[in-house]
Amino acid sequence: DAKTTQPPSMDCAEGRAANLPCNHSTISGNEYVYWYRQIHSQGPQYIIHGLKNNETNEMASLIITEDRKSSTLILPHATLRDTAVYYCIVSRAGGTSYGKLTFGQGTILTVHP
Amino acid sequence: GAVVSQHPSRVICKSGTSVKIECRSLDFQATTMFWYRQFPKQSLMLMATSNEGSKATYEQGVEKDKFLINHASLTLSTLTVTSAHPEDSSFYICSARDPDSNGYTFGSGTRLTVV
Repeated sequence: DAKTTQPPSMDCAEGRAANLPCNHSTISGNEYVYWYRQIHSQGPQYIIHGLKNNETNEMASLIITEDRKSSTLILPHATLRDTAVYYCIVSRAGGTSYGKLTFGQGTILTVHP
Repeated sequence: GAVVSQHPSRVICKSGTSVKIECRSLDFQATTMFWYRQFPKQSLMLMATSNEGSKATYEQGVEKDKFLINHASLTLSTLTVTSAHPEDSSFYICSARDPDSNGYTFGSGTRLTVV
C-alpha cells in the first residue's frame, strides 16, 4: 500500500473549518483514500473514503486532487469533540491486502474554544 | 452504520496467564476481521487477519502460537493472548468491513495490562 505523509499536528478554532492535508504521491489506480480518527483510548472511527471523486457525508468532505497524489479532509465546523488524531490511509479495494489498513502517525488536531 | 462490539474493554492479568478478547459484529456478518495492536504513543499495527472457517493469517513478526485467533462464526472472532507477559501490555483493537459504507468499523478496543 502507498505511504502517506501528514503534518504531525494542527490547531483549529471552534466553529471554523479544519482542513487536514495528506500527501500520497505513490498511490496506485486501485487504491482508495480513507480517513479515520482516533480519540484518546478509543478505537478508530471511520470518517470518509474516496477513489477519485470528491466525497461528502454528514461528518466531513474529502477533496482529492485530479492526479490523486494528495487529498484534504474538511471538517466544516469544528467542535471541541473533533479533537483527535486523524489518519489518512490508502488501501487497495481488493486482493490480498483488502481490509489491511496501514496506519501512519497521523495528524493531531486540537480544536480550541 | 455497522457496529463492532469488543469485550472486555480493559483487563488486568498476571504474567503467565491467558486472556481472551472477543470481537462481535452486530447486525451484520463479517467473514473477515482484523486485529490490531497499539502501544502507548504509537500508531496501530496490524497483527493478523481473522477468516471465518479457516486459519488466520499473521503479519510478519507476530507469533501465531502466542496470539491465537478463532473465527468460528460469521459474527464472532476471538483473540487469545497466551502466557501473557508484561511486554504484551497494549491496546488491542479489532475491525470489520462495514457493508453499508465499505469503510472499516473498529471496536472500542481492549486495554490489556499484564502484571
